[in-house]
Formats: sequence, C-alpha cells, structure tokens
Amino acid sequence: LAKTTQPISMDSYEGQEVNITCSHNNIATNDYITWYQQFPSQGPRFIIQGYKTKVTNEVASLFIPADRKSSTLSLPRVSLSDTAVYYCLVWGTNAGKSTFGDGTTLTVKP
Amino acid sequence: NAGVMQNPRHLVRRRGQEARLRCSPMKGHSHVYWYRQLPEEGLKFMVYLQKENIIDESGMPKERFSAEFPKEGPSILRIQQVVRGDSAAYFCASSFRAWDRSTNTEAFFGQGTRLTVV
Repeated sequence: LAKTTQPISMDSYEGQEVNITCSHNNIATNDYITWYQQFPSQGPRFIIQGYKTKVTNEVASLFIPADRKSSTLSLPRVSLSDTAVYYCLVWGTNAGKSTFGDGTTLTVKP
Repeated sequence: NAGVMQNPRHLVRRRGQEARLRCSPMKGHSHVYWYRQLPEEGLKFMVYLQKENIIDESGMPKERFSAEFPKEGPSILRIQQVVRGDSAAYFCASSFRAWDRSTNTEAFFGQGTRLTVV
C-alpha cells in the first residue's frame, strides 16, 4: 500500500477556498485516491475519489497531476462546519484493507 | 454514516475483562470491515468479513482479538482480557459488494465504539 503524507494541520477562514495536498510517491499504476472527512466522535465520511486528472462533485474537487505522485483536495468556500480531519487514502485491490494516514486537521475560523 | 449502527457507543472495561463490540451493517450489505483508531491517529485496518467468513484478518492482533459475522445478527469484535493499550475508538464499515476498485463500491462507516480500559 502506498504511503501518504499530508500536512498535519491547516487553518482557514469562512468563505475561502482550501486546498489540501497529499503526497503518495509510491502510488501503483492501478491505485485510486480517495478522500474522507471525519468529525470528532464520528466515523469517516466519503468525500471524493479519482484516478487521474480532475474530478468534481457537489462538495469538492480533486486534482491529480499526470505523474499521480500527489493529489489535491479543493474545498470551495469553506464554512465553520467544514472543520474536521481530512484523510487521503491510496488503495488498489482491497480498499477495505487500507490504513488511513494521520490526516490533516482543518480548522475554519469565522 | 446513517445506517451502520455500532453499539455501545462508549464502553468501559477493567483490565482483564472482555469487551464485545457490535456492528450492524447497512441493510443489504454483506461485507464488514473493522478498524481501530488511537488518539490523534488515522484508522488502521483490522479485519474484513463477509457473511460467516473471515476474508482478511491480517491487521488483527494474533492474541485476544477475534471477530465474527454470523448469518443472522451483527458482526462482533471481541477482545478478551483487555489491557490499557486496547483503549481506542473502534469503527466498522460496511459495503454492498467487496470494497475494491473493480466494483467501484463505497463503504459506509458507523459512528464507532470508544473503548476505555481502566
């Protein structure tokens, strides 16, 4: 399983765009990249998933460069309720066996 | 998170006691995954079960830990003779099909059981 590296913490203000980058230098050809959000005392919640280039859904965008050695989660116009830990997960054959990294604690301030 | 039910939400056990953690997957889901999360750390895979079968238990400690997913009823993670180091949050996730890229399946997590060993 590819090892992932994320910033430990980030601060932002309401209404700003937040970009969280995850490094995964050892990503394998068939690996996917998934991002999860976790609030205190709750289980992780799926945000977005991609393989290459750009993926967008109603809550976020995921940018993956051609070499796929990193990925960036983009959260547009964050609010206080986006304060959470964000995990980048790189996985291939068995996503359920993947281990989440230490995550990035995002704090959104008023 | 709605749909995957874990109970109890909080569990306190004395050293040497047994802890039983329950996970009821979402309706129709037959694949269950258990994870452990220590404070300030990410989730670590423990075991993957599919109705009545253990598919992968490579992340589970060899001693004192066991898991089952019977034909009827919830999945159970059992920890015997608990020690202080077992204190953690235990999460389960469930999916309709095997959670891998070939099925493009999403897994849903429960709210976890916080085990405290005193």
